[in-house]
Amino acid sequence: QLQVQESGPGLVKPSETLSLTCTVSGDSISSSSYYWGWTRQPPGKGLEWIGSIYYSGSTYYNPSLKSRVTISLDTSKNQFSLKLSSVTAADTAVYYCSGSGSYYRFDHWGQGTLVTVSS
Amino acid sequence: QSALTQPASVSGSPGQSITISCTGTSSDVGSYNVVSWYQQHPGKGPKLMIYEGSKRPSGVSNRFSGSKSGNTASLTVSGLQAEDEADYYCCSYAGSNTLVFGGGTKLTVL
Repeated sequence: QLQVQESGPGLVKPSETLSLTCTVSGDSISSSSYYWGWTRQPPGKGLEWIGSIYYSGSTYYNPSLKSRVTISLDTSKNQFSLKLSSVTAADTAVYYCSGSGSYYRFDHWGQGTLVTVSS
Repeated sequence: QSALTQPASVSGSPGQSITISCTGTSSDVGSYNVVSWYQQHPGKGPKLMIYEGSKRPSGVSNRFSGSKSGNTASLTVSGLQAEDEADYYCCSYAGSNTLVFGGGTKLTVL
């Protein structure tokens, strides 16, 4: 059973870069035709897709965040990561990573990690 | 792209059926048969309940079903149980390699 788990700092200062890592277990991120994604949820609000990366390295981003987002794979550690630059309080949210056999859905989710943007 | 439109809340008594709508446009829900639905309990990560409009992943109860008509997708939960009380989100492909979620619906089991 594929499992994913988010990790990273819970507090980031405004204007700095948010960096999170998702550790995958149960399969190799580079050997299967999986899409790996990031989604976020501001406190008390709904879900927002941030972006996805294919096992080959192709990336797809939400147009509203594209200028600030980078998603990448680290095959040596079986991890993928999210970097969001120039953060503001509006980026405070629970960030979820996911893995899926299709671009159009999210099969396996992590438990999420809360990132607060504050000085 | 704009978020898909869902009712803020729905409710039903145990054993009853409820339907949650997810309204988009001809550029997203209406053009692609890939709507997915997620269940989220408080403090937990979302769980995939329906994909490609009407397919259930292994392990999901057959009390959950999905359908689509025009620009609106729907999730029906039959035989309501207390454990179904949760937030539900729809998601659709919106073209140009983008995905969009609905605003979410809180299901209350009375």
